[in-house]
Amino acid sequence: AQKITQTQPGMFVQEKEAVTLDCTYDTSDPSYGLFWYKQPSSGEMIFLIYQGSYDQQNATEGRYSLNFQKARKSANLVISASQLGDSAMYFCAMREGSNTGKLIFGQGTTLQVKP
Amino acid sequence: EAGVTQFPSHSVIEKGQTVTLRCDPISGHDNLYWYRRVMGKEIKFLLHFVKESKQDESGMPNNRFLAERTGGTYSTLKVQPAELEDSGVYFCASSQDRRRGYTFGSGTRLTVV
Repeated sequence: AQKITQTQPGMFVQEKEAVTLDCTYDTSDPSYGLFWYKQPSSGEMIFLIYQGSYDQQNATEGRYSLNFQKARKSANLVISASQLGDSAMYFCAMREGSNTGKLIFGQGTTLQVKP
Repeated sequence: EAGVTQFPSHSVIEKGQTVTLRCDPISGHDNLYWYRRVMGKEIKFLLHFVKESKQDESGMPNNRFLAERTGGTYSTLKVQPAELEDSGVYFCASSQDRRRGYTFGSGTRLTVV
């Protein structure tokens, strides 16, 4: 079974608008971490935001926020006020358990910001 | 602070040859990870070092892949002999806290022809 699912292969958004990238996960471990990474065309993987399973509040980092709905096992990334530089591939990932460093990645979503 | 450095950035080799990829983690990061993305598929975990010890190598595809981290600093990933299906982008990441804070390198794009 897929542990991390990103159902949107590609998304478009108008510059300055907000966009939500979907991510659902599957785990029976009560302790886990959820990550979002951005991969621009240059290839590097850039860390955006982290949410721990026991965190009471949704994580926010500047224009990025994570809409964490634990009961639904979803961890959607919200990018506010999109910029042209946000065009990239976005990966959702999960660390399952507290004693592992292994990340499980989703398939990725390609975001295109239109001027 | 310097990031995670990987080289080469690109490598094209013939089937049956040997290739060695190198990763220099962020100084002081005990945890070092290797991941791979084969064309069109998810990024997959290969292995995890804590200092010089292999903590988890459950993702290594077969015994043609050998990873080392001598002295707990940089790491190498050797593929010998390379096969066509080994083509992909190999990422290295490091972290001080394994719960979060993974920093990835830019990856090595390996093409086996």
